[in-house]
Amino acid sequence: AQSVTQLGSHVSVSEGALVLLRCNYSSSVPPYLFWYVQYPNQGLQLLLKYTTGATLVKGINGFEAEFKKSETSFHLTKPSAHMSDAAEYFCAGSGGSYIPTFGRGTSLIVHP
Amino acid sequence: ETGVTQSPTHLIKTRGQQVTLRCSSQSGHNTVSWYQQALGQGPQFIFQYYREEENGRGNFPPRFSGLQFPNYSSELNVNALELDDSALYLCASSTPARVPSGANVLTFGAGSRLTVL
Repeated sequence: AQSVTQLGSHVSVSEGALVLLRCNYSSSVPPYLFWYVQYPNQGLQLLLKYTTGATLVKGINGFEAEFKKSETSFHLTKPSAHMSDAAEYFCAGSGGSYIPTFGRGTSLIVHP
Repeated sequence: ETGVTQSPTHLIKTRGQQVTLRCSSQSGHNTVSWYQQALGQGPQFIFQYYREEENGRGNFPPRFSGLQFPNYSSELNVNALELDDSALYLCASSTPARVPSGANVLTFGAGSRLTVL
């Protein structure tokens, strides 16, 4: 079964700095991978997804993620953090099952 | 298009009581999934409904049950509430597909926050 692991429960960056949120997956089948964002008191919103094809996936709000099969990773990046990016970020994956499994989440803190 | 709406947004119950949470799926979506999100955790899959039938279930006891209606709206029922049931319950609907797929994007509601005292 597909599982995902998010490294770091909290990531703190300064406004304008690079954002890097880490996600590793484990699966015996090609995965579908997702990043979702959750703002306070809201549901999850899709940032981007990888299914097949291009390994660099671009999402909303300037975020992108790269699927690296050799490293079983799907890290989320953004070149320059903005205060409005402060939120909880979840990596999710599904492989042989059609039910995505979510990581525990990484809280992004952006300092002025 | 309307998104996913959930009700109630907040509720407080006591141990042993029963609760019903409701969800209206996004227009045109035929699949509804329910997740439990405990404080500081990621969403945990409870079950999924596709065309009014349960189409997959996570590691939750039978006192968690659900329904999907012909208009694709859904209910989550929890009987004999326990303290550990306190969580945010998220409903998510999926883009139309002939069959549910792991590639489907989930559209989430804002959730129902349940507190069990």
